[in-house]
Order: sequence, then structure tokens, then C-alpha cells
Amino acid sequence: AQSVSQHNHHVILSEAASLELGCNYSYGGTVNLFWYVQYPGQHLQLLLKYFSGDPLVKGIKGFEAEFIKSKFSFNLRKPSVQWSDTAEYFCAVNDSGRGSTLGRLYFGRGTQLTVWP
Amino acid sequence: DAGVTQSPTHLIKTRGQQVTLRCSPKSGHDTVSWYQQALGQGPQFIFQYYEEEERQRGNFPDRFSGHQFPNYSSELNVNALLLGDSALYLCASSLNQGDEQYFGPGTRLTVT
Repeated sequence: AQSVSQHNHHVILSEAASLELGCNYSYGGTVNLFWYVQYPGQHLQLLLKYFSGDPLVKGIKGFEAEFIKSKFSFNLRKPSVQWSDTAEYFCAVNDSGRGSTLGRLYFGRGTQLTVWP
Repeated sequence: DAGVTQSPTHLIKTRGQQVTLRCSPKSGHDTVSWYQQALGQGPQFIFQYYEEEERQRGNFPDRFSGHQFPNYSSELNVNALLLGDSALYLCASSLNQGDEQYFGPGTRLTVT
């Protein structure tokens, strides 16, 4: 079965610092990749997604992620974080090429980002 | 346009009891998935419903069952509750099985 690793469990940054959150998955077939964000007291929201095409995808609020197939990675980046980016970030993978598990999302355990003003 | 809604918001049950959680998908969506999110963990897939049938199932015991109605809304039932079933239960809907999923606010279940 697919597994997703998020290596940073808690990241603390000052405003304007750059952010990179790591995400690696285990299965090397055809995948769809997602980053979700959960702001305090709110539900999971989609930040960005990769289905195919340009491996550098841009999402909402200035976030971007790069799919590197050879490294099974989909790292999230933002050049300058804001206090309002404080939230929990989840990487998720969907085996789009495997009919029996199509639609099933595999999540990492999440990274809590705290941004100090 | 209403997003995914879930009820109730919070629920407290005793070990051995049964619980039913409800989910209404985003307008136009026909596929509903359920996830369990334990404290400090990422969501774990329970099962997915499409065309009123369970299409996929994660590694959860038969105590977890579900249903999808003709209007695409869904229920998650858990029998013989255990303390370890305490978690946030998330419902997600999508336009079809492989599309991006939109999540509801969740139901916080506490088993005492």
C-alpha cells in the first residue's frame, strides 16, 4: 500500500522567512498529489494539486510545489511566510493508475507550521 | 453553494454503544469518502461510496459500516464502540472517484 512521509512534524518560522515542507511517497506508479491545509478551527482545504503536466504547480496564497518523480517527492514551498500561514499542512497521494484504489487518499501525518510575527 | 456538511459536530458515547454520523456532499458531487483522524495523525481512509455502493475500503473492521442514499448523502455507522474509536471523522466528496476531494468540518467523537 502507498505510504506518505512528512519529515517535519513542527516547523517554526519568523514572518518573511522562506518555507519548504518535505513530502515523500512510496509507490512509484501514476499518482495524483495534493497539499491540504487546516487553519485553526477550520476544515481541511485544498492548497494545490498535481495531476499531470508541468511538475511545478502553483496554488492559493502564494504556495507552490514541485513534483520530482525520480525522488518520489512533492515538496511545498513559499518564498515569504506570513503570520496567517500558521496552520497544519498535510500532503496526500492518490494512486490514479490503480483502479482498485482509485480515489483513496493516503495522507502524511501532517506538519504544524507556526509563524511568529 | 453549500460545501460538505456533517452532523453532529460533537458526540460523546460510551464503550459498546453504536453511533451514526451523517454527511451531505458538495452540490453536484456523487462520491463520498470517510476518513478517521486521530489526534496528531493524518486522516486514515475508511471507505468510499459511489452510486450507493461501497467501492473501496481501508483497513477498518466490520464494526465500521456505511450507506449512501439516492441523493448522494451518506452515513457512517460504528458499532460496539471502543475507546480507540475516539477521533475526528471527516467526510469528503468529489465529482467522481478520482477527482479532488472536498472535506467537511468533521464530527468529533469521544468514547468514554
